[in-house]
Amino acid sequence: EADIYQTPRYLVIGTGKKITLECSQTMGHDKMYWYQQDPGMELHLIHYSYGVNSTEKGDLSSESTVSRIRTEHFPLTLESARPSHTSQYLCASSEGTASSNYGYTFGSGTRLTVV
Amino acid sequence: QKEVEQNSGPLSVPEGAIASLNCTYSDRGSQSFFWYRQYSGKSPELIMFIYSNGDKEDGRFTAQLNKASQYVSLLIRDSQPSDSATYLCAVNRYTGFQKLVFGTGTRLLVSP
Repeated sequence: EADIYQTPRYLVIGTGKKITLECSQTMGHDKMYWYQQDPGMELHLIHYSYGVNSTEKGDLSSESTVSRIRTEHFPLTLESARPSHTSQYLCASSEGTASSNYGYTFGSGTRLTVV
Repeated sequence: QKEVEQNSGPLSVPEGAIASLNCTYSDRGSQSFFWYRQYSGKSPELIMFIYSNGDKEDGRFTAQLNKASQYVSLLIRDSQPSDSATYLCAVNRYTGFQKLVFGTGTRLLVSP
């Protein structure tokens, strides 16, 4: 049973539109992450957060932005979607002090297609 | 050189056989190692983690770690068709914060 939720599951949107991908977790985890994954490719970290009001960019450059106003909520926003943003976006969370030992819990993902 | 390397496969094994999945990593400072299973179109789910040299068993799964050789493996005994998926190796890295670096995954096909 998933304790981390992503919506929408699938999204097809036109170029230039603003979109927000939602991610919420009920586990009280401090650390949250956004990964991007193209088919057959590895996961790339695009954003992470240590906790409320703490956000950082990850390894892969992304035009998206994130916010962390509440512990449980970590939305990702694209101000102007482009076809190059077409990908799967995966949200994950981990325990605040032991993430290195317990790994991440992933949400079900959002598959974004920009036409 | 990628930080975490895996053979992309596919690795084909018959039902009931042992599947052996391998992973090498480049950062000697890594302390924690994870195996995730990802079905097509789904998100990764954690199978096992290991952080001490040697073997760790959980049901049909055994993770093996050799830090001197920078090598992690996952053995799946009595493989089932439902084990057919992509298996991702992930290694913990610290660069001011803890994060996991993932390999590209090995696709496993278990035939009935």
